[in-house]
Amino acid sequence: QQQVKQSPQSLIVQKGGISIINCAYENTAFDYFPWYQQFPGKGPALLIAIRPDVSEKKEGRFTISFNKSAKQFSLHIMDSQPGDSATYFCAAPGTRDRGSTLGRLYFGRGTQLTVWP
Amino acid sequence: KAGVTQTPRYLIKTRGQQVTLSCSPISGHRSVSWYQQTPGQGLQFLFEYFSETQRNKGNFPGRFSGRQFSNSRSEMNVSTLELGDSALYLCASSYASISGQETQYFGPGTRLLVL
Repeated sequence: QQQVKQSPQSLIVQKGGISIINCAYENTAFDYFPWYQQFPGKGPALLIAIRPDVSEKKEGRFTISFNKSAKQFSLHIMDSQPGDSATYFCAAPGTRDRGSTLGRLYFGRGTQLTVWP
Repeated sequence: KAGVTQTPRYLIKTRGQQVTLSCSPISGHRSVSWYQQTPGQGLQFLFEYFSETQRNKGNFPGRFSGRQFSNSRSEMNVSTLELGDSALYLCASSYASISGQETQYFGPGTRLLVL
């Protein structure tokens, strides 16, 4: 059972356009939603993260929108650049005892973003 | 601050062999998690270690094992390798504060090819 469902699988955007990637989850106990960016041959790198007590978080050209009632969150990349071409993963941590470690992260299947110059 | 380091970066083994992968977390981080990444299954959690104890375990066979040392460095071992074990093995470290909400920082991974 996939804990976090991500779409689309691939996305092609023109330079300067907006890239939007969506994720949906089922477990209402999830309380932290990071997005990771991965370039070929590299490990995933944290891009931006949000907690469910806010509906939006913006860092530069990257924005997470969070809809708690719909159990969905999305990544928006404004003014997309060729250097943004990478695979993006949404994630959520598994349930854990309060005060324990972060534990496992459940990842979406990834979105391969290509930004044409 | 140095990032998560993993050794070796690339490895070629044959079926039936065993392999040990190493991970050094970011200085001060006490939690280390391991993930397997494949094109077919994506990123899948293997296990997590904190203070030399396994805290969480994913749905992998017993051939996959790990350990953590007192300096937080971790190793994972795969015995009796199968072709399907070919993957990128990623290590992630986090500080593990009392709030339990910490970012995981990933290393570059070890690319394992089983022939």
